[in-house]
Amino acid sequence: DVKVTQSSRYLVKRTGEKVFLECVQDMDHENMFWYRQDPGLGLRLIYFSYDVKMKEKGDIPEGYSVSREKKERFSLILESASTNQTSMYLCASSLRGVGGNTEAFFGQGTRLTVV
Amino acid sequence: AQKVTQAQTEISVVEKEDVTLDCVYETRDTTYYLFWYKQPPSGELVFLIRRNSFDEQNEISGRYSWNFQKSTSSFNFTITASQVVDSAVYFCALSGNNYGQNFVFGPGTRLSVLP
Repeated sequence: DVKVTQSSRYLVKRTGEKVFLECVQDMDHENMFWYRQDPGLGLRLIYFSYDVKMKEKGDIPEGYSVSREKKERFSLILESASTNQTSMYLCASSLRGVGGNTEAFFGQGTRLTVV
Repeated sequence: AQKVTQAQTEISVVEKEDVTLDCVYETRDTTYYLFWYKQPPSGELVFLIRRNSFDEQNEISGRYSWNFQKSTSSFNFTITASQVVDSAVYFCALSGNNYGQNFVFGPGTRLSVLP
């Protein structure tokens, strides 16, 4: 059974803390993504990576950074958490096939609250 | 730039009614891929279908059907004889064919099926 696993389902952090959200996939996928989901705004891409040590900014990268040292792991880092980063964070991965991306597989999401 | 629009924010139907969820996309790519995902109350996005831009054949899978029309840049999703378990947020997404392409999601349509 294919799996994308996010390290926490729920997280509460204080303003100014450095926060790490971890994501691991076991499908040997090249592509990995971090989205945040807010009511009425759908899924917005923060960062994605199409290879180890490669990263590309998405639509809303400000206040975030990422790390991909190994193919299976993609970490999202909030350098100094702020209350406007309270959100649902979704990690996904996909295969980069000859005919374009296959579907993305999603983790269960991390609901982060910054107080 | 790529964009996906789902004009219906929320839809409510009574069980056994048919319902169509609209999706309109924008892209300059000649080769691209379209997807539908379901997000039930549990939160994890579930893949439903992938369609490439060269395949305009409609698809039916049980009570689900998809109508892809390149001429109107639409990829609509119909649920026939809806059931309460169909209640979820549905997302339409678009991906290109180039190396390092990500997925662009629409804002989602919340479907409520009432008993």
